[in-house]
Amino acid sequence: QSALTQPRSVSGSPGQSVTISCTGTSSDVGGYYYVSWYQQHPGKAPKLMIYDVTKRPSGVPDRFSGSKSGSTASLTISGLHAEDEADYYCYSYAGSFTYVFGTGTKVTVL
Amino acid sequence: EVQLVESGGTLVQPGGSLRLSCAASGFTFSGHWMHWVRQAPGEGLVWISLIHPDGSATAYADSVKGRFSVSRDNAKNTLYLQVNDLRAEDTAVYYCARDTSGFTNDYWGQGTLVTVSS
Repeated sequence: QSALTQPRSVSGSPGQSVTISCTGTSSDVGGYYYVSWYQQHPGKAPKLMIYDVTKRPSGVPDRFSGSKSGSTASLTISGLHAEDEADYYCYSYAGSFTYVFGTGTKVTVL
Repeated sequence: EVQLVESGGTLVQPGGSLRLSCAASGFTFSGHWMHWVRQAPGEGLVWISLIHPDGSATAYADSVKGRFSVSRDNAKNTLYLQVNDLRAEDTAVYYCARDTSGFTNDYWGQGTLVTVSS
C-alpha cells in the first residue's frame, strides 16, 4: 500500500495548461480503470474532480480532464483559472477492497 | 442535501483510545459503502478504511490494521471508527466519505481532528 507518486508541485500562468502525473503499479493504477482525482483547498475537504479515469462529475468544469496509460494516470487542467490553485490528489482502487492516494501535487497559478 | 458530520476528535495521550462518529443525512445511508480517510497536519490524504453497506465486510490500510475498527449503525445513519493504541503519527484530521458504489468517493465531511500527545 505505497502511496502513488505525484510531482510535488506544478505551476502555470492563467490560461495555460498543466498536467499532473500519478504513477503507481500493476496492483493499483495499472490494474484497474478506477482512478479518481481530488482537489483540496487549504482547510477544506477534498472535492471530486475526475472518476473512472476520465469522467467528470456534474458541475466540474470541462477544462479538467483525465487519462491513463499503463500504470500512470494524468490530470490535465486546460486553461488555468486562479481558483484552480489548490492541492490535487490521485486515488486508485488497489484490490481486496483497499484504496491508495497519491502523494499530492500543489498547483500554483502564477 | 447530502451531509456528513464527523465528531469525536480530541486531544488524547499516546496509547489511548477514541471513537469517532460520522452522522449521515440526505441520502439512503444503508445503501452505500463508507470510507475513512485521514490527513496529518501539512501532509497528504491517506485512505484508512471502508465498510460494506450492511457492515458485513471491512478493509483497512496496513498502517492501522489491528488497531482501528470501522462499524456502522444503519438505524442511526452513523458511521464509526474505533481507534486504539494511539500513536503520535495518528495525529490527523479524520474524514468520512461516501462511496458512489463505483470505486470513488463523492461526498466528504468537514473532518474531525485527533491529536495524540502527552
